[in-house]
Amino acid sequence: QKEVEQNSGPLSVPEGAIASLNCTYSDRGSQSFFWYRQYSGKSPELIMFIYSNGDKEDGRFTAQLNKASQYVSLLIRDSQPSDSATYLCAVVMDSNYQLIWGAGTKLIIKP
Amino acid sequence: NAGVMQNPRHLVRRRGQEARLRCSPMKGHSHVYWYRQLPEEGLKFMVYLQKENIIDESGMPKERFSAEFPKEGPSILRIQQVVRGDSAAYFCASSPWPREENDEQFFGPGTRLTVL
Repeated sequence: QKEVEQNSGPLSVPEGAIASLNCTYSDRGSQSFFWYRQYSGKSPELIMFIYSNGDKEDGRFTAQLNKASQYVSLLIRDSQPSDSATYLCAVVMDSNYQLIWGAGTKLIIKP
Repeated sequence: NAGVMQNPRHLVRRRGQEARLRCSPMKGHSHVYWYRQLPEEGLKFMVYLQKENIIDESGMPKERFSAEFPKEGPSILRIQQVVRGDSAAYFCASSPWPREENDEQFFGPGTRLTVL
């Protein structure tokens, strides 16, 4: 069974702090890892992808991948109230390149 | 606008009617994915299609639901004899021919189906 696990939250973080979102996956051979953000009532939008072990930074966002431990995380620095959303982790686990989705973590940034 | 298009954005049906949801992928994208999302729940994969071919329909209910992606025109998700439990947001996503490091999906705005 191919699975992607996320803590559903809500995760509450004060404005200006670092928000840390975690995701674990079941298939050691997984290839590609994505973080999507979904505001309430809207469609998911891609914010980061990572393919190699280590860190990848894009503005206030940093994705971290550890294939040996089978987890991927997303750090949001200097959190803003506009970052309040559900963050979805998605992983490609097979040769069809189909995404397997986590259930999402609801993030709340408190002013 | 070269994004993923879905229509209608909102659809209201009475129990027993048919719902037909359309999705036009981004220009240059040949692969389409349909997802369902119930209120306050995560995305549930339904079906994965490329032109004239269903790649994976393991997430789609065996009865009343069907999907197609013809050679010409949009992808269609069809729900026959709708029931109240079909009320949800239905998202379509598209990707180019997927290969390693080129497999992200781009989402349309969704169709919100309400069954009365």
